[in-house]
Amino acid sequence: KAGVTQTPRYLIKTRGQQVTLSCSPISGHRSVSWYQQTPGQGLQFLFEYFSETQRNKGNFPGRFSGRQFSNSRSEMNVSTLELGDSALYLCASSSRQDQETQYFGPGTRLLVL
Amino acid sequence: KQEVTQIPAALSVPEGENLVLNCSFTDSAIYNLQWFRQDPGKGLTSLLLIQSSQREQTSGRLNASLDKSSGRSTLYIAASQPGDSATYLCAVRPWVGDTGRRALTFGSGTRLQVQP
Repeated sequence: KAGVTQTPRYLIKTRGQQVTLSCSPISGHRSVSWYQQTPGQGLQFLFEYFSETQRNKGNFPGRFSGRQFSNSRSEMNVSTLELGDSALYLCASSSRQDQETQYFGPGTRLLVL
Repeated sequence: KQEVTQIPAALSVPEGENLVLNCSFTDSAIYNLQWFRQDPGKGLTSLLLIQSSQREQTSGRLNASLDKSSGRSTLYIAASQPGDSATYLCAVRPWVGDTGRRALTFGSGTRLQVQP
C-alpha cells in the first residue's frame, strides 16, 4: 500500500505571495491532518479534515486554510506569505481501523524570501 | 493544556549500547501515545503506538512502555546501531468524548547519535 504523498517537496516563494500544498493520504484513510514544523516551535497542529469536513483547527491565523476532497486528498493554502511561514509542512493520515495511528508524508519544505 | 516533555534533548552513545528515551505528559486523559523517528529534513516514521489501555508495545529492538497515571512513557532501544541515529519524537493524542479524535501534541524530541 502506498504511503502518504505530498507535493511539491520544495517550494520557494516571496513575501506576500500565496501557496497551495497537496497531500494524498494512504488509500482508505479518511482523516488528514496538517502540521507545521520549525526549529523554534517544533511540530504544531494546523488542522484536521475528515470526510471533507474540518474537524479540528489549531491556533494559526486565518491566512492558513485547507480543504479535503471526496477522494480524501487534501490541500492547504497559505495566503500573504510571511518570512515566518518558512517551515516543513507535514501531512498525516489515519484510520480508525488502524487505531488512529498517524502516518506522515515526507513533507513540503517552504522557504519564504 | 497538554504539555509533552522529552529528556534528554540529545544523546550520544557507542554502538551496541542499550538506551532509554523518556517522554512525560501533563494530562493523563489520553487516547494513545505514539513514538516517531525523524531523519534530518525528512518526514516522521511511526515506530510504535500504545493505546491508553496498554502498558507496552514491542517491535524488533524497540520497546515502548506507558504509565498513564504518572504521565510517562519510555522508548527502549536494544543493541543500538549507527542507523538508529535520528531524532525521536513522542506524541500524545488526547481523549475527547467518545471518539478521542484530536490533534497530536508533540514533544520537542531527543536527538540520538550512535557512534560506530
